[in-house]
Amino acid sequence: ETGVTQSPTHLIKTRGQQVTLRCSSQSGHNTVSWYQQALGQGPQFIFQYYREEENGRGNFPPRFSGLQFPNYSSELNVNALELDDSALYLCASSWTDTQETQYFGPGTRLLVL
Amino acid sequence: QKEVEQNSGPLSVPEGAIASLNCTYSDRGSQSFFWYRQYSGKSPELIMSIYSNGDKEDGRFTAQLNKASQYVSLLIRDSQPSDSATYLCAVNVVGRDDKIIFGKGTRLHILP
Repeated sequence: ETGVTQSPTHLIKTRGQQVTLRCSSQSGHNTVSWYQQALGQGPQFIFQYYREEENGRGNFPPRFSGLQFPNYSSELNVNALELDDSALYLCASSWTDTQETQYFGPGTRLLVL
Repeated sequence: QKEVEQNSGPLSVPEGAIASLNCTYSDRGSQSFFWYRQYSGKSPELIMSIYSNGDKEDGRFTAQLNKASQYVSLLIRDSQPSDSATYLCAVNVVGRDDKIIFGKGTRLHILP
């Protein structure tokens, strides 16, 4: 157990809907990164939040957005869901913005029908 | 183009033997290198990190880095059935938007 929690564990949505995924970082960590992992692929970087500011973004469209709160927990929001958004969504926390020794949560498995 | 490449496997290794996992990367600006283990249905777990050329050992695991050849490897000695998993290579390029790039992973199967 890493101390990073995510909710919900599983989620089923239909195309066009919106979804919010949540992540609580490990105690003392101020940086949260979000990843999308499709089946059979490695995790793909979505974005990172450091001290409540977005601090880097991967190649994902603007309908993927996020927030980080003062307690360093974070949300990932995805609008206008598409079938290809079906994946495991992982958040990872670390104590700096360099992603050294980041710890992953258990993930949220999203299925878009 | 930033890219991290791994052989997808599966790599089958007899129990007790040495498993060798390889990874190449394309961005010469890469500064930090990580190996993660991921069991089926679970999230990645950090095994090793390496930052300078040479070998780094931690128990049965040894990471090897060669920046000139843009190559990083993971050796697992005395392989155990519990080592059967997907091993992800990850590379951190500080200062770029893509903070960390993962390979697709190599599936390792330890034969009892």
